Amino acid sequence: DTGVSQDPRHKITKRGQNVTFRCDPISEHNRLYWYRQTLGQGPEFLTYFQNEAQLEKSRLLSDRFSAERPKGSFSTLEIQRTEQGDSAMYLCASSGTGTSYNEQFFGPGTRLTVL
Amino acid sequence: KQEVTQIPAALSVPEGENLVLNCSFTDSAIYNLQWFRQDPGKGLTSLLLIQSSQREQTSGRLNASLDKSSGRSTLYIAASQPGDSATYLCASEGETSGSRLTFGEGTQLTVNP
Repeated sequence: DTGVSQDPRHKITKRGQNVTFRCDPISEHNRLYWYRQTLGQGPEFLTYFQNEAQLEKSRLLSDRFSAERPKGSFSTLEIQRTEQGDSAMYLCASSGTGTSYNEQFFGPGTRLTVL
Repeated sequence: KQEVTQIPAALSVPEGENLVLNCSFTDSAIYNLQWFRQDPGKGLTSLLLIQSSQREQTSGRLNASLDKSSGRSTLYIAASQPGDSATYLCASEGETSGSRLTFGEGTQLTVNP
């Protein structure tokens, strides 16, 4: 169990550019979640996958955001035409096995800064 | 819509003190409540998960309780240490909100040596 990993850890981009983040969940977990966290706030839910199916999307996830989990393993979150308001920490979590199957384990996050 | 509130927003205590962090939620129809720790600039570390059928969970110096009917959870930290300094977040998974967690804004704890 190597934990949830995210790449990159930091990303600085200019407004209008596209960015893509990757999340690798704990290997045996079938559920994967994306959250966004701004300074001083708790994380806010963005979207959720069970295996490769995207089962839920928040209204926070505008049409500039897209997430995929093509083979039910790793996931990517893409933001098109970034805006300064997209600056935040993007957190990935996974869950899905054992007696605490719904306990969510988080990765270290990707901090996005849009200039 | 579930709302989660954490009080206090910040807490500073001397080393060795026992302390209680509070979490309240508006919708009692929850599957579970999870407590996390977050160090500055880092991800979240899961501390304790309480299923809706449980009243409390313990891990080392940490004890979390859940009272669904009153919409409250508490995290008790015994014999606090400077290494406990972090932001503590509670989050609920609702019966009608899918698998999403709804978070409070956290309590920033400082334990002074």
